[in-house]
Amino acid sequence: QVQLVQSGAELKKPGASVKVSCKTSGYTFTDYAIHWVRQAPGQRPEWMGWINTGTGATKFSQRFQGRVSIARDKSASTAYLELSSLNSEDTAMFYCARALTYGSGKPFDYWGQGTLVTVSS
Amino acid sequence: DIQLTQSPSFLSASVGDRVTITCRASQGISSFLAWYQQKPGKAPELLIYDASTLQSGVPSRFSGSGSGTEFTLTITGLQPEDFGTYYCQQLNTYRMYTFGQGTKVEIK
Repeated sequence: QVQLVQSGAELKKPGASVKVSCKTSGYTFTDYAIHWVRQAPGQRPEWMGWINTGTGATKFSQRFQGRVSIARDKSASTAYLELSSLNSEDTAMFYCARALTYGSGKPFDYWGQGTLVTVSS
Repeated sequence: DIQLTQSPSFLSASVGDRVTITCRASQGISSFLAWYQQKPGKAPELLIYDASTLQSGVPSRFSGSGSGTEFTLTITGLQPEDFGTYYCQQLNTYRMYTFGQGTKVEIK
């Protein structure tokens, strides 16, 4: 069965960076893109960016441009999100989700369980 | 950026009721809209995509309609397990996806 399993909760100080992993299984890794979504407490999900797991190409929301990077390790079927210059707004649950790589309008059909990142001094 | 506005923000309904949630886009997005259900402490789950296509495994009491700028999610025969927050998501702007602000559904 399809699974996306994320790394555990993180506590970071303001200005630090965080790296979250998303290990996938149950499907061909390179057939699906991986997207990352931030959701602050009580707020709507916010799309951050995505990676074409086949080519490694990435695209980011302007809101996070400059402090976000997404990478993947095809041999491990795992994607990574790194977010730098953390501030209190980044205290949130971070989710990875998969969507078919090619074609328009592909929805996020499987999601990871989420990784809670807390930013506090 | 394309903005999505959902209404209502909150609704309380009884088991068996027909419930409708609306999502309006700030510009036309064809049929590139999805609906998700999120329960407390859990990741969102896909219900509907392409505005009206039911995701595999989702009960048939859920249905979606609309195109362009106005979309609806309907639950026909609300069940106790349908509580949660429902979000629409636009998938039109190339790889720049946004979500509506959510509709919280409470079972009376």
